[in-house]
Amino acid sequence: RKEVEQDPGPFNVPEGATVAFNCTYSNSASQSFFWYRQDCRKEPKLLMSVYSSGNEDGRFTAQLNRASQYISLLIRDSKLSDSATYLCVPRTGNQFYFGTGTSLTVIP
Amino acid sequence: NAGVTQTPKFQVLKTGQSMTLQCAQDMNHEYMSWYRQDPGMGLRLIHYSVGAGITDQGEVPNGYNVSRSTTEDFPLRLLSAAPSQTSVYFCASSRQGAGTDTQYFGPGTRLTVL
Repeated sequence: RKEVEQDPGPFNVPEGATVAFNCTYSNSASQSFFWYRQDCRKEPKLLMSVYSSGNEDGRFTAQLNRASQYISLLIRDSKLSDSATYLCVPRTGNQFYFGTGTSLTVIP
Repeated sequence: NAGVTQTPKFQVLKTGQSMTLQCAQDMNHEYMSWYRQDPGMGLRLIHYSVGAGITDQGEVPNGYNVSRSTTEDFPLRLLSAAPSQTSVYFCASSRQGAGTDTQYFGPGTRLTVL
């Protein structure tokens, strides 16, 4: 079983739309969780950490459900610059586990 | 503060050649790792290190060696390059044992093996 499963998409949405990405992880010992963003052929960059109570950063909202081992990311009012691949990343000890990512294209 | 740096940015090798990909970080992070990323696949861990003098294998270590003589540097050596090693290589670092801390990536090395 994969450590992290994400819907690969692609998600093609118009500007201004709301889009949600989901992710499940297999290791119940995972201690912390992150969403990374990766632009084409570039390095992954941290978008936001995910806290148990859920957290928001501007247009982005992350949720964690430890019981279901499920993480989500909601993007509101999508911008063209949001086009990227979004990676769900649980951390267990020193190990970060990367999913294959979900591709988002925001269309004018 | 440069973060994580990698050299070279691009490299073309012939089958059988060897080379070293360089990685350095200036954040005094104990934990460093090397990943490779192939089209349509996620990041796969090659080797990692939890501190100077300590290294261990990740998911796909065959054909690669690493060493960690200082906290700052973590070079990746390709012993005898093969076309299957054509990939983008990312180095990353993080604080060890700090579960809520994230991992920082270098800009990557794009390697083609002919």
